[in-house]
Amino acid sequence: AQTVTQSQPEMSVQEAETVTLSCTYDTSENNYYLFWYKQPPSRQMILVIRQEAYKQQNATENRFSVNFQKAAKSFSLKISDSQLGDTAMYFCAFLPPSNNDMRFGAGTRLTVKP
Amino acid sequence: KAGVTQTPRYLIKTRGQQVTLSCSPISGHRSVSWYQQTPGQGLQFLFEYFSETQRNKGNFPGRFSGRQFSNSRSEMNVSTLELGDSALYLCASSRDRGMATEAFFGQGTRLTVV
Repeated sequence: AQTVTQSQPEMSVQEAETVTLSCTYDTSENNYYLFWYKQPPSRQMILVIRQEAYKQQNATENRFSVNFQKAAKSFSLKISDSQLGDTAMYFCAFLPPSNNDMRFGAGTRLTVKP
Repeated sequence: KAGVTQTPRYLIKTRGQQVTLSCSPISGHRSVSWYQQTPGQGLQFLFEYFSETQRNKGNFPGRFSGRQFSNSRSEMNVSTLELGDSALYLCASSRDRGMATEAFFGQGTRLTVV
């Protein structure tokens, strides 16, 4: 069974600084999808970035980028120029190609300090 | 364009009762997935509906059921409520099958069982 591990329950960063959130996963699949979701206090899960396992190039979305290491089964999220609005829970998620049973990590609570 | 709408936002029920939660997907989206979020277990997949058919089901007891209507709106039902069913229930919609196509989450229904 696929599992997703986020080893950092809480992190903080100063506004305008860079922070990296860690995620590792376990799977025997060769093709799959990885996601980072953000859940602010409003509770709504918002997609931050997605990565397809067969693509070697790391995904980027404005200030958000990932470091995808397929062999190491690692998928970290880098947030550059952190903003107060980035304060939220961040979930790493794994999706097999065959169904919608998305597996989430336990989450990392990120606080951006002014 | 309206987002995913979940109703009600909050619900308090007594043990042994049943409850029905509703999810209206984004217009044009045909896939609806449901997730349960608790502090102890994190986010867990409940089931996925596409074209009025349940396509996948997570590891939950038969007390958890759902359905999807012809307009893609979905309901989930929990019968004989237990204290452990207290959770945030999230639904996500996507245009096609698979959360790999971008999925949008609703704000959830907070269910409290007393």
